[in-house]
Amino acid sequence: DTAVSQTPKYLVTQMGNDKSIKCEQNLGHDTMYWYKQDSKKFLKIMFSYNNKELIINETVPNRFSPKSPDKAHLNLHINSLELGDSAVYFCASSLQPRGETQYFGPGTRLLVL
Amino acid sequence: DQQVKQNSPSLSVQEGRISILNCDYTNSMFDYFLWYKKYPAEGPTFLISISSIKDKNEDGRFTVFLNKSAKHLSLHIVPSQPGDSAVYFCAASGEFRGTASKLTFGTGTRLQVTL
Repeated sequence: DTAVSQTPKYLVTQMGNDKSIKCEQNLGHDTMYWYKQDSKKFLKIMFSYNNKELIINETVPNRFSPKSPDKAHLNLHINSLELGDSAVYFCASSLQPRGETQYFGPGTRLLVL
Repeated sequence: DQQVKQNSPSLSVQEGRISILNCDYTNSMFDYFLWYKKYPAEGPTFLISISSIKDKNEDGRFTVFLNKSAKHLSLHIVPSQPGDSAVYFCAASGEFRGTASKLTFGTGTRLQVTL
């Protein structure tokens, strides 16, 4: 059984398009995250939600909008895609109380042409 | 500003020997440290962690050592196996909001275990 799943796994699109990435976890966790791994392999946090509430929002362009319909799902919508958005996006989830141990999905490889 | 550094991008070790992966950090607010293992085209998998109140944590073949005064931690794998070949990420936590923790990751060390 997949604990944290993401769709799609690969996404190739043109500059200026809008795209969404979906994430689902079946671990029963309350907190979910989006991370971005850039070309230099840095893995950086973008957002975190707890039970549908946004609790971490790093300095991410407002073209990126996370949406959490329920505590098991956290989707990432990206408007007006730019070349620099090309990266691998990872979803993760964690348990309370502090959520240090995070469990990651397989990643979505986004390529903007 | 790279607060978590893994200065060795790669490491090659013979099967059966010890693998030692190192990690340095600069932020003294970090109080919880983790190691993740990552295979190509997969997400990072949690391996082992340590709280700053400890200096050692062991789980089977994996041991993490923490030297707070030196702001240094290491992961020991004994004995190394070919299936351990992967990229290993060090991560640190010290800032959390509600139930969420901001993990800061190093850039990873690629471990290759040779036969």
